Amino acid sequence: DAGITQSPRHKVTETGTPVTLRCHQTENHRYMYWYRQDPGHGLRLIHYSYGVKDTDKGEVSDGYSVSRSKTEDFLLTLESATSSQTSVYFCATLRDSTYEQYFGPGTRLTVT
Amino acid sequence: GQQLNQSPQSMFIQEGEDVSMNCTSSSIFNTWLWYKQEPGEGPVLLIALYKAGELTSNGRLTAQFGITRKDSFLNISASIPSDVGIYFCAGVYSGGGADGLTFGKGTHLIIQP
Repeated sequence: DAGITQSPRHKVTETGTPVTLRCHQTENHRYMYWYRQDPGHGLRLIHYSYGVKDTDKGEVSDGYSVSRSKTEDFLLTLESATSSQTSVYFCATLRDSTYEQYFGPGTRLTVT
Repeated sequence: GQQLNQSPQSMFIQEGEDVSMNCTSSSIFNTWLWYKQEPGEGPVLLIALYKAGELTSNGRLTAQFGITRKDSFLNISASIPSDVGIYFCAGVYSGGGADGLTFGKGTHLIIQP
């Protein structure tokens, strides 16, 4: 158990509305990540953070933004949700010394 | 970017059978990780491998870091119903950390009664 929680766990929203997903960790890991998981595509990296206020884009960052104001929290925002952003979103952290990545329980987001 | 080929995509086996799956890449990795994901949950780390040729066990699971550093294997012996799930491999290349993990697309293990 890497002490990662995600909220909400499930959300249904309408196209065009803003949505923020929250990831909270208790392990004080420097690196944090947001992935989306879709059938046939596996896990795809959206954004990651390598410290407070230090973030960078991943493979599928269009339409998403992130913020990290504290070590323990990493927020993912969909400024204007679209149906193509219906997915399961996972947060993860990295243990620097071993490169082991640990995942949260996921948030299932449905955009109608 | 890096590409990982994980096979098979799915396996239908009988309880008690042994299972083998693998991941291959055209690039060298210096760490291999194996995860299991159950429905409605996040991936859980099973085994981590750090040296070429390394063989590591976790209960009935055994994983190997290929000698070429371009592949890794996971075996499950005497499968039981709770082994059902999706197994992912992940390779870490020299940068590590930031965006240094590449995931396979998973092997879906289904156990028939």
